[in-house]
Amino acid sequence: GESVGLHLPTLSVQEGDNSIINCAYSNSASDYFIWYKQESGKGPQFIIDIRSNMDKRQGQRVTVLLNKTVKHLSLQIAATQPGDSAVYFCAETPASGGSYIPTFGRGTSLIVHP
Amino acid sequence: NAGVTQTPKFQVLKTGQSMTLQCAQDMNHNSMYWYRQDPGMGLRLIYYSASEGTTDKGEVPDGYNVSRLKKQNFLLGLESAAPSQTSVYFCASSPGQGKNIQYFGAGTRLSVL
Repeated sequence: GESVGLHLPTLSVQEGDNSIINCAYSNSASDYFIWYKQESGKGPQFIIDIRSNMDKRQGQRVTVLLNKTVKHLSLQIAATQPGDSAVYFCAETPASGGSYIPTFGRGTSLIVHP
Repeated sequence: NAGVTQTPKFQVLKTGQSMTLQCAQDMNHNSMYWYRQDPGMGLRLIYYSASEGTTDKGEVPDGYNVSRLKKQNFLLGLESAAPSQTSVYFCASSPGQGKNIQYFGAGTRLSVL
């Protein structure tokens, strides 16, 4: 999983497996969270988001889970495909009234083996 | 719809040279950002602009300057390039409030020799 201050973690999975990428965020006042995907040589791209009044949100093949008690966020990718290979970043954003500047984690590298 | 466009895509500078990285967005976003990304690291905020004509320092502003004279453009300047500024630079834009999803450009790969 991902944690600020450590080496970039790597998750290796086989094609077709489910992947779980974890993120520990730091600010208990953050109320909006986003997952981004960054493919090699490209800029980060939005995947899915969740507000702090929710604990789960589903998209197409992706699910984000939020546990505010332990300040933990996870991204689940179902039936992982080679095209999912990328670095995944979580970002936390302060509650409304602030600067809305997100704070990014260092990222987790996902490698999908065919 | 081009989104966020960065120019140039690649640049090599000698120590002490100056240059400007350009960023343009066509989504009418209020906020724009400049980040740098070094190997194995996440995105570090250099400067941001919450609205046209305003700029604020981020986490690593030293050695850089910015300007936001037009809503659609955000320029990042290096006055006297140093090898420590070798990095990949990303520009992003966002609505600036509420669901503040950022949209990123493809990056500028800068090498300072």
